[in-house]
Amino acid sequence: DVKVTQSSRYLVKRTGEKVFLECVQDMDHENMFWYRQDPGLGLRLIYFSYDVKMKEKGDIPEGYSVSREKKERFSLILESASTNQTSMYLCASSLFRVEDPRAFFGQGTRLTVV
Amino acid sequence: GIQVEQSPPDLILQEGANSTLRCNFSDSVNNLQWFHQNPWGQLINLFYIPSGTKQNGRLSATTVATERYSLLYISSSQTTDSGVYFCAVGGSGGKLIFGQGTELSVKP
Repeated sequence: DVKVTQSSRYLVKRTGEKVFLECVQDMDHENMFWYRQDPGLGLRLIYFSYDVKMKEKGDIPEGYSVSREKKERFSLILESASTNQTSMYLCASSLFRVEDPRAFFGQGTRLTVV
Repeated sequence: GIQVEQSPPDLILQEGANSTLRCNFSDSVNNLQWFHQNPWGQLINLFYIPSGTKQNGRLSATTVATERYSLLYISSSQTTDSGVYFCAVGGSGGKLIFGQGTELSVKP
């Protein structure tokens, strides 16, 4: 079974801190994604990556950056955390193949910025 | 961009009842997936179903691509079926565009 692991389940950070959220997948997937989930707004795509060192902005990239130095790891960086970035963050991975594009998600990280 | 609408937004069932969740999408797609988010926040992939019908135990899904909708059927519901069900369709580059979800509560 595919396993996508996020480094923290719960995280509390202070305003202005630089925050790193890590995601690792073990199935050699090309695609990796970061979403945030907020009540009433659903899941919104922040960034995605379809290869090592490649990244593309999603719908809400402002205030975030990403890093993909190795195929299995995709990091989300909050350059200077703000209270409006308090949210549930979800990482996902998938193959690039049309025949099997199923996405698999990590357990999520609930980030609170105080 | 593609719009994804799910209905109903909320659903309360007694254990043992059946239900149908609907997903409408605004453009033709070759990638449609159903997910279940459990109360702890984990999203589980239920089906990849761009067209046709698939079954997995008490769950089945049907997508009519020409009419741009998909249905998720849950039969003999159990309390463990509670959570939020999401439909997502594929955009460019493997991205998924999610609907707002249907929140299901199954009462014992």
